[in-house]
Amino acid sequence: LAKTTQPISMDSYEGQEVNITCSHNNIATNDYITWYQQFPSQGPRFIIQGYKTKVTNEVASLFIPADRKSSTLSLPRVSLSDTAVYYCLVGDIRDSNYQLIWGAGTKLIIKP
Amino acid sequence: DSGVTQTPKHLITATGQRVTLRCSPRSGDLSVYWYQQSLDQGLQFLIQYYNGEERAKGNILERFSAQQFPDLHSELNLSSLELGDSALYFCASSVRRSGEQFFGPGTRLTVL
Repeated sequence: LAKTTQPISMDSYEGQEVNITCSHNNIATNDYITWYQQFPSQGPRFIIQGYKTKVTNEVASLFIPADRKSSTLSLPRVSLSDTAVYYCLVGDIRDSNYQLIWGAGTKLIIKP
Repeated sequence: DSGVTQTPKHLITATGQRVTLRCSPRSGDLSVYWYQQSLDQGLQFLIQYYNGEERAKGNILERFSAQQFPDLHSELNLSSLELGDSALYFCASSVRRSGEQFFGPGTRLTVL
């Protein structure tokens, strides 16, 4: 069965680059890896999505190795407002049932 | 504002009761997802509908059911409520069967 594993928490400082890794041992062949950010009492917000290699947008980069068994979200030059919970999401086909597998979330705390 | 609306915002009820949560997706989005998030916990995927049909099923209890109507809005029905059902329930929508999900503000359910 597929499972996503990510660190429970991380600390960093303003201006630093932060890398959060998610392990996903058996994602669906055609599925994408997606990362979301969530602030307290709000719905998650899409950050970035990729299939393999590297994807970059205005807020983050996503690195996915060839075997796709993990992915790393990279946040450049973080600020206090990046303090949030970050989730990775992959798909999984169990028998004939397609499921969405969310990681447990990584609580990122940015210090001044 | 993601464009996804959920009603009601708050709901307080008693054990054993039944409630219905409503979600209107963004204009043009065909997929609707339902999630449960207990206090300080991660997101639990419940179920996904695509254009009126069930697409994916997570760990949704038998006491819970959902449907997506021809106008694409969706309802999540929770019955025989228990104290442990108290949580934030999020709805999300996306254009395709998979891809970026846009989350609503959530419905906070309190079971007393």
